[in-house]
Amino acid sequence: EDKVVQSPLSLVVHEGDTVTLNCSYEVTNFRSLLWYKQEKKAPTFLFMLTSSGIEKKSGRLSSILDKKELFSILNITATQTGDSAIYLCAVVDRGSTLGRLYFGRGTQLTVWP
Amino acid sequence: DVKVTQSSRYLVKRTGEKVFLECVQDMDHENMFWYRQDPGLGLRLIYFSYDVKMKEKGDIPEGYSVSREKKERFSLILESASTNQTSMYLCASRILAGGKNEQFFGPGTRLTVL
Repeated sequence: EDKVVQSPLSLVVHEGDTVTLNCSYEVTNFRSLLWYKQEKKAPTFLFMLTSSGIEKKSGRLSSILDKKELFSILNITATQTGDSAIYLCAVVDRGSTLGRLYFGRGTQLTVWP
Repeated sequence: DVKVTQSSRYLVKRTGEKVFLECVQDMDHENMFWYRQDPGLGLRLIYFSYDVKMKEKGDIPEGYSVSREKKERFSLILESASTNQTSMYLCASRILAGGKNEQFFGPGTRLTVL
């Protein structure tokens, strides 16, 4: 059973739209949640969230964590074609060996011009 | 900047061949990881290593082995490649100190087993 569930699995929007990607998790000893963006190559780091309610922001991207309800959202405003990618959510389990990451299956975002 | 490199971007092998995938990182990171990524399944952890000569099984270790003889290098070995091992393989490294959990990924190796 997946410990990290992302939704939607796939999303198609037009340039200028705002999108919200969801990530819910079930990890016994939560340490942190990470968001990655993956284009046609290696995933690149976007945000790490450890505390509830504190928004992390980078340009048009922002993310927030709710540790009570066990989820995070990633918002992208005024989307551009360059935002097309797979967005991956991962959760660090403090209780596991090495504090390993558990990844969700990703959300494939396609932005049409 | 951390750099993680993988020996091949694309690889085509035949069923039954022994396959070596090499990963090298240049930032003295203690932890290294091997994932495979398949459409609709996300990243699944095969093996990881928390230091030289140390290794731990991930979620899908069957059919794979690993080697970490030097800190900068983590090799994934397919003893006898099978068609269901056709996939994208991603290597990552991470520093242990300071509570950082960000993993730095290599560019990936797309392996096709015929």
